[in-house]
Amino acid sequence: GESVGLHLPTLSVQEGDNSIINCAYSNSASDYFIWYKQESGKGPQFIIDIRSNMDKRQGQRVTVLLNKTVKHLSLQIAATQPGDSAVYFCAENDDYKLSFGAGTTVTVRA
Amino acid sequence: GAVVSQHPSWVICKSGTSVKIECRSLDFQATTMFWYRQFPKQSLMLMATSNEGSKATYEQGVEKDKFLINHASLTLSTLTVTSAHPEDSSFYICSARDAGGPIYEQYFGPGTRLTVT
Repeated sequence: GESVGLHLPTLSVQEGDNSIINCAYSNSASDYFIWYKQESGKGPQFIIDIRSNMDKRQGQRVTVLLNKTVKHLSLQIAATQPGDSAVYFCAENDDYKLSFGAGTTVTVRA
Repeated sequence: GAVVSQHPSWVICKSGTSVKIECRSLDFQATTMFWYRQFPKQSLMLMATSNEGSKATYEQGVEKDKFLINHASLTLSTLTVTSAHPEDSSFYICSARDAGGPIYEQYFGPGTRLTVT
C-alpha cells in the first residue's frame, strides 16, 4: 500500500550547521503532514505540521517545506544543537490515522 | 497541557503470560486513542484504533484476540498482550486525540518497553 518514506536513514551534522531531513510520500491525496522527533526510549514529540494548502511553515528554528508536485516533504533545522540528536519521522494523515515514515537518525557532532 | 501517560514504562514477563498496558490522557478527554508498536530501529506501526465505548478497530495483520483493547472511559485505554511470546517484545506507544481539539492532532505517550523471556 501507499506509505510515507524517508530518503536517508542517517544524517551527521556539525553543531551550529543547518540540518535538512527529507521525506517522500506516495499518497497524493494526503492533506496533512507532521514531523516528529523521537529520542531513545521515548515517545514521539511533535515538532511542526503543515497542511496541503501550504508549501512552507516556520516554527522556532524549524521550517517544513512541502512540494506536492513531487510529493516531497522536508524539515530544516537551523543552527543544529546537540539536543537535536534524535530520530526524526514524517507522518501523513491517512483517513484520520497517522502513517509514519521510516525515520532519519540525526547525530550532531560537537 | 495535553499530557498522555503510560503504565508501566517497562515490563518483563514470561512467555505464555498476559500483560496489560495502560494509556491515560491526564488533562483532556480522549474519545479516540491509538496503539502503536515499534521494533528496534524501525518506525511506528499502527496496531489499532481504540474508541471509547465501542470496539477497537484493528489494522490488517494485527490479531485482535491476542491484543485486547479496552477503552472504557474518556481518559483510559488498555492494551492487553495475551499469551505473550518473545516475538511480542517491542516498544508499545499510545496516542490520544483530544475530543475537543483538531481531529488531526494526536498526543503521544512515553511508551512501554515489553520484554518477553
